[in-house]
Amino acid sequence: DTAVSQTPKYLVTQMGNDKSIKCEQNLGHDTMYWYKQDSKKFLKIMFSYNNKELIINETVPNRFSPKSPDKAHLNLHINSLELGDSAVYFCASSQAPGREETQYFGPGTRLLVL
Amino acid sequence: DAKTTQPPSMDCAEGRAANLPCNHSTISGNEYVYWYRQIHSQGPQYIIHGLKNNETNEMASLIITEDRKSSTLILPHATLRDTAVYYCIVRSSNTGNQFYFGTGTSLTVIP
Repeated sequence: DTAVSQTPKYLVTQMGNDKSIKCEQNLGHDTMYWYKQDSKKFLKIMFSYNNKELIINETVPNRFSPKSPDKAHLNLHINSLELGDSAVYFCASSQAPGREETQYFGPGTRLLVL
Repeated sequence: DAKTTQPPSMDCAEGRAANLPCNHSTISGNEYVYWYRQIHSQGPQYIIHGLKNNETNEMASLIITEDRKSSTLILPHATLRDTAVYYCIVRSSNTGNQFYFGTGTSLTVIP
């Protein structure tokens, strides 16, 4: 009954490869997010999607492309992986963006680029 | 952009109340205060949020000062499983209502 799930949990890959991380939420929420947590544990938002439309795109290299096939899914595709992309990536969802809004996070995907 | 200040670390004896402070002196009148925690290697977990009044739920209590410039998260009876990093977040409409996580307070519950 996981509310926000991510696959894979761990991802080890070589520099230059292309990889995808999948996220699904069964909460019926309208908005989904991707966050990146680096080695210093800073958690920073990358993207936000509302009803399959991109509403937030922080300063993220265009090698990162979110894709939302439907409201319940937000996948993150990363091209030409670099060493600095190594981090934990968290997906989150919320009912709707607003001042009073609670986001629920997935368990994270630990990406290691060699 | 976190707009909050928290002590980097705190200890609390198991079974005692854990009081985690947060300063948000530049908070605006319509901005909410949220608390999340992150237990090692897990995703952030929502704890509680409030605007002006004190709030309580099954996990914790949130005390917001009258001038709203600071708040305290209270875990009434801390357990070892409460050891985590606790984040105090002020959500700003100026930032598109996004959550900006700061460095948080690393709480260690001691047996």
